[in-house]
Order: sequence, then structure tokens, then C-alpha cells
Amino acid sequence: GAVVSQHPSRVICKSGTSVKIECRSLDFQATTMFWYRQFPKKSLMLMATSNEGSKATYEQGVEKDKFLINHASLTLSTLTVTSAHPEDSSFYICSASADRVDGYTFGSGTRLTVV
Amino acid sequence: AQSVTQLGSHVSVSEGALVLLRCNYSSSVPPYLFWYVQYPNQGLQLLLKYTSAATLVKGINGFEAEFKKSETSFHLTKPSAHMRDAAEYFCAVFSGGYNKLIFGAGTRLAVHP
Repeated sequence: GAVVSQHPSRVICKSGTSVKIECRSLDFQATTMFWYRQFPKKSLMLMATSNEGSKATYEQGVEKDKFLINHASLTLSTLTVTSAHPEDSSFYICSASADRVDGYTFGSGTRLTVV
Repeated sequence: AQSVTQLGSHVSVSEGALVLLRCNYSSSVPPYLFWYVQYPNQGLQLLLKYTSAATLVKGINGFEAEFKKSETSFHLTKPSAHMRDAAEYFCAVFSGGYNKLIFGAGTRLAVHP
């Protein structure tokens, strides 16, 4: 089946630094990938839709300059949290799909802690 | 616009009992519907999906869901709960117009001995 690999699974960084999270589709090509943020005991909040070779589409209220998304190839999308602050601490999850009818495959998530 | 509502943020059952997690959808077009499971500190795993074929959909781990258009429902069931079923469950609908999944608020399933 389709596999999406997300790294790192956990990261702790100092306030003011930047953190990059990678999302890779291992056995299929994904023209579109999605980035979600999940607060404790809450549902997934879509942050942005990442399109290969073009600019990401951000959801309302998500800061483009804070959360940089790059989708350089059909198998890789990255999310960079710039100038991280403690309030950016959260669980970030990516997903991708080769065919929307098949459903979306999710990465295992990244727990970001900003200290 | 499409949306899903999950009734009951917490459901608790005894091991061996029936599991019923409720999901109602709103969609102006025939929907694609999904159920996902999330274990602590992990991503989401697809349990099953409805894509306008059979209305009774069987998924992994013994789960199944029935699409009922008249009730706009897509409830998830499992005849006999197991301890390992304890997790968070999300119902989702695919919004074709916006090319994205829309999730319900989630239901936390607890299974006690």
C-alpha cells in the first residue's frame, strides 16, 4: 500500500530557531500533499495544500511567512517553521494521495516542542 | 459545502461489546467518506472508505461502516471490541471543490476489561 514517511518524529528546538519537517511519498507520486496541525485532544486543522512545482495554498489564518512549504518534487514536501516560538509547539502531520478515491495516506507525525 | 459531524467525543465500551461510532455528513454532491484511526503520537491510518460503490463497506481490524443516504450517516461499527481498539477515530469527507479532506472533531474510544 501507499506509504508516506515523515521526519523527524520528534524535535525540540530553541525559541527563535527554524525547524524543517520532511514528508515523502515512498511508493507513489503525489502531486498534492497536505500539512495539518493537531492540538492536544483536538481534530486535525488543515494548514496548507502543497502543490508540486507551485506555491502552496494556505488556509485562512495560517501565516505564510511563518510556515514555509516547499514541494520540490513529486515525492517530497517540506514544512519549515521559521523563528519558532513556544506557541508553535504542536503535532504536525502530512498526508498525500495518488488518487483521492483511494483516500489519503498520512505520515506518522512530528511532535515539535519549542523551548 | 461538505462537512461531517461526529456525535459523542468519548465512547466507552467493555471488551467484547459492540462498538458504534456515529458520523453524519453534509454534502450537496455524492460524497467520498472515510474513517481514520489515530493511536497516541501517531499519524492517521485509513480504516475504510466509501466511494459510491457498495453501501456497506468493510475495513481493516474488523470494522465496517454503512452509508445511508436517507439518514446522511456513515456510522462505524465493530461487533466485538478489543483492548487494542482504544484510540481516536475520525470521520472525514472529501471536498472535491476544494480538493481536501474535511475532518470531524473525532471520537475517543475507550475499551475497558
